[in-house]
Amino acid sequence: DAGITQSPRHKVTETGTPVTLRCHQTENHRYMYWYRQDPGHGLRLIHYSYGVKDTDKGEVSDGYSVSRSKTEDFLLTLESATSSQTSVYFCAISAEGGNTIYFGEGSWLTVV
Amino acid sequence: QQQVKQSPQSLIVQKGGISIINCAYENTAFDYFPWYQQFPGKGPALLIAIRPDVSEKKEGRFTISFNKSAKQFSLHIMDSQPGDSATYFCAASIGEYGNKLVFGAGTILRVKS
Repeated sequence: DAGITQSPRHKVTETGTPVTLRCHQTENHRYMYWYRQDPGHGLRLIHYSYGVKDTDKGEVSDGYSVSRSKTEDFLLTLESATSSQTSVYFCAISAEGGNTIYFGEGSWLTVV
Repeated sequence: QQQVKQSPQSLIVQKGGISIINCAYENTAFDYFPWYQQFPGKGPALLIAIRPDVSEKKEGRFTISFNKSAKQFSLHIMDSQPGDSATYFCAASIGEYGNKLVFGAGTILRVKS
């Protein structure tokens, strides 16, 4: 794996609670992404970052926010978790000028 | 609305056989077509990729065939092995930007020994 650490790897939380997933990279890559993976939908982009404090929405951003205060860290926050946000979340990175995306090992989130 | 349609959803192949996974797209602006391989409990990893200026690309037992006029591309796994059992995703993007990458729904491949 390309120097990407996701935490926590597994989490069960209750509806309405806030949840933050963390992604840490050691590759010094400019771009960082959060995807969710659901059966029948493949991987869908939630948010991405193209630099410190520079973020933008992806295809399925509703209910999620992100922050990037350092090059190496990209946080995904569910302000008030819902059952529809039960999913596997993948952080990914890519270098500037490169469209090869490297994925972390995933965070399994269950909202009950 | 899925921009890249992948089929089949699942596939069972005998060891030594050929596995074929197909993808179709609509947006003619796509100019980069990668395939990702994902093992259970792991993140997807780039397997092989092609650009529309070539019709075929081969890396070991893995081949991408690309048909620009039909807007289709496919992954062929020759001499399929049990270790190839995984989920395969096709994807497409515009330009050199990872944020433009769109994925197919995935194909679960099982190779029987």
